[in-house]
Amino acid sequence: EPEVTQTPSHQVTQMGQEVILRCVPISNHLYFYWYRQILGQKVEFLVSFYNNEISEKSEIFDDQFSVERPDGSNFTLKIRSTKLEDSAMYFCASRYSTGANVLTFGAGSRLTVL
Amino acid sequence: GIQVEQSPPDLILQEGANSTLRCNFSDSVNNLQWFHQNPWGQLINLFYIPSGTKQNGRLSATTVATERYSLLYISSSQTTDSGVYFCAVLTQGGSEKLVFGKGTKLTVNP
Repeated sequence: EPEVTQTPSHQVTQMGQEVILRCVPISNHLYFYWYRQILGQKVEFLVSFYNNEISEKSEIFDDQFSVERPDGSNFTLKIRSTKLEDSAMYFCASRYSTGANVLTFGAGSRLTVL
Repeated sequence: GIQVEQSPPDLILQEGANSTLRCNFSDSVNNLQWFHQNPWGQLINLFYIPSGTKQNGRLSATTVATERYSLLYISSSQTTDSGVYFCAVLTQGGSEKLVFGKGTKLTVNP
């Protein structure tokens, strides 16, 4: 079964450093997402991406964050100048088309900011 | 925006018991998914169920879209069923995204 692949599975960084989380969506999917889950809390929407541009972003997704699809397969989330409160699990998801359609999630990247 | 409410927030069962988890949502949706978050944090898709009833082994789900709720049934629970169960709905119109509820934390004791 096709999978969404995320790397790294766990990253530890110092406060103020830049982090790039990588995702390889399912190959024929067109819509891409990043979600965040702070430990013990619910999964929150960060940003959606379609046709090489951001479709929607949440209030959380401020200037500290950026997304990119640098080639035909990768979808990245960059977090600049990390803060302690950025520590969370970050999930990438993708789906094929609009309408009633399943989002497939990756296994997540756990970010720990010290 | 759309609100997704899950109940109960916590549930403790003995192995072998049955349970029902509920998800209410405040607006019409294109899709509804149930997830199980395992101890490693992975979100495992259980059901894609915008309406009707589906069954997969000991788990089944029913969504009544017109009344804006969904139910997840777990029968003959096992300790491996422990974890957090999330309901998430796909918003309609514009940029569609999944909006998650806060989850139900299930603990199944041996």
